[in-house]
Parts: sequence; structure tokens; C-alpha cells
Amino acid sequence: GAVVSQHPSWVICKSGTSVKIECRSLDFQATTMFWYRQFPKQSLMLMATSNEGSKATYEQGVEKDKFLINHASLTLSTLTVTSAHPEDSSFYICSASLGSPGYTFGSGTRLTVV
Amino acid sequence: DAKTTQPPSMDCAEGRAANLPCNHSTISGNEYVYWYRQIHSQGPQYIIHGLKNNETNEMASLIITEDRKSSTLILPHATLRDTAVYYCIVKTGANSKLTFGKGITLSVRP
Repeated sequence: GAVVSQHPSWVICKSGTSVKIECRSLDFQATTMFWYRQFPKQSLMLMATSNEGSKATYEQGVEKDKFLINHASLTLSTLTVTSAHPEDSSFYICSASLGSPGYTFGSGTRLTVV
Repeated sequence: DAKTTQPPSMDCAEGRAANLPCNHSTISGNEYVYWYRQIHSQGPQYIIHGLKNNETNEMASLIITEDRKSSTLILPHATLRDTAVYYCIVKTGANSKLTFGKGITLSVRP
């Protein structure tokens, strides 16, 4: 079946630095990918929709200059958390659609900013 | 997309059927009902989806009421590995975004 690979699975970074998270569709092409953030004991919150070859569409309240999304190819989307702060510590998850039946999710990236 | 309502939690005994309800009273005619689950610290996993007919696959069955205002996900023989948060989502289209609610936490007890 469709597989989405997310890397790294966990990362610790210092406050003020930037972190890049990769999301790859391994055996299919994904023109659209989605990025979510999940805080402990909360549900997934959609951050942005990533479209290959065009600018991402951000949800209300998500800072596009802080969370940079690049979808340069049909198999790779990246999320860069710029100037990270402790409040950005969270579980970040990407997903992609093969059209049917549903979406495939990556295994998530646990970001801890110290 | 229509909003869904799920109880916050439920439990069932291992080996028994788990019936997870979902209300979506404002669902529109072109919206599908999707179910996903998330095991702790993992990405969500697709389970099943349907429009108006009941559906079954190797994981579960989906029962949608005739008026489509509610549905039930059935795990026929729950195992300990089915302990997870289950999300009922209604949405249109194949590539439209998924919006997650709070879901229902299913605890399967030995």
C-alpha cells in the first residue's frame, strides 16, 4: 500500500535555531500533502496544505513565515520551523492522498526545543 | 465540512465487538464519512469510509443510518492492539483536507 515516510522521527534543537522535517511519498506521487501539529492529549490540528509547484495554503492563525513549507517535487514536501521556541515543541505529522480510499500519514516527528 | 460528535471514551473486553458511534447531523449529500485511528505517538491510520451504504473491510464495518445523520464503526473482535483514539470525520472529495475533532478513546481490556 501507499507509504509516507517522515524524517526525522524525533529531534531536539536549541531555541532560535531552525529545524527541517521531510515528508516523502515512497511509492506514489502526491500533488497535495498536508501538515498537522499535535500537542499532548490534544487532537491533530491542520497547519497547511502543501501543493506541488505552488505556494502552500496555511490555516488561519498559522504563521507562514515561521513554518516554511516547500513542495518542490511530487514525492517530497518539507516543513521548516524557523527560529524555534519551546512553545513550538510538538508532534508534527504529514499526510498525502492517493485519491482513494483515504489519506496516508507519516509516523510523525517529535520536536523538542530547549 | 460537517462537524461530528463522538463520546469521549469507551471500553470493551478483548474479543468482543466494539461499536463506536458518531453523530453527523449536518452532513450534506456529497460528504463521505471517514474513520481513522491513532495509536499513541503514531500517525493516524485509515480504517474505512462510506457515503450511504454500509461498508466492510478487513479491519472494520461501517454502518450508516438511512438519514446519514449518524454512523457506527464496528470492530468485530477487538484486541488489545485496537486501543487507540478513533476519529470520525466527514468531508467532500478525494483531496480535500481532513479536519480532526477530539475523537473517541477506545480502551480494550483483557
